[in-house]
Amino acid sequence: EIVMTQSPATLSVSPGERATLSCRASQSVSSSLAWYQQKPGQAPRLLIYGASTRATGIPARFSGSGSGTEFTLSISSLQSEDFAVYYCQQYHTWPLTFGGGTKVEIK
Amino acid sequence: EVQLLESGGGLVQPGGSLRLSCAASGFTFSGYTMSWVRQAPGKGLEWVSSISGSGGFTYYADSVKGRFTISRDNSKNTLFLQMYTLRAEDTAVYYCAKDHCSSGSCRFDYWGQGTLVTVSS
Repeated sequence: EIVMTQSPATLSVSPGERATLSCRASQSVSSSLAWYQQKPGQAPRLLIYGASTRATGIPARFSGSGSGTEFTLSISSLQSEDFAVYYCQQYHTWPLTFGGGTKVEIK
Repeated sequence: EVQLLESGGGLVQPGGSLRLSCAASGFTFSGYTMSWVRQAPGKGLEWVSSISGSGGFTYYADSVKGRFTISRDNSKNTLFLQMYTLRAEDTAVYYCAKDHCSSGSCRFDYWGQGTLVTVSS
């Protein structure tokens, strides 16, 4: 099983600042990585797939990068609606696995 | 508009069974792999199971293999998860998710709102 490790667990950021979230895979997943956003009481929402492709309707301030075992989700200028938990997920190999999540909170 | 509506959750005793359903609309259901993903209270996301569009291929997490069965009825646009021998650690919100694969990239592009399963005596 491929283990996905996200860091940090919690990220405190002021509105308007940049946030950088990391996701590491225990073995290469090529570019088979997605990012999701989840707000309290809501289902996850797809943000990024293929490591760097924004999903339909996702603002340009969200960007993804990386390949192999190291991945990054960047939010260029945090808006109030961006404070949430973010998960990475690999779909390179069964079983599909998620990272433990990074909570982005208001500083 | 894609819609996924889960049902069937509830309170069940340890060792009991439960069947979840997910009614899909707004897309060609038989053309897509579908999955179940769960989230224990206050915890992260855990993939549970997936089934191919035809139903011919199924995949399970080790934590549920042999206890859960995923299936689908393409004539009724409905996904199922039959859960047996439930344990306290199966307590979670269960989400139905639509898979989408294109150009070698796959992802869960739509999610239902989830149904809560509580395993407790």
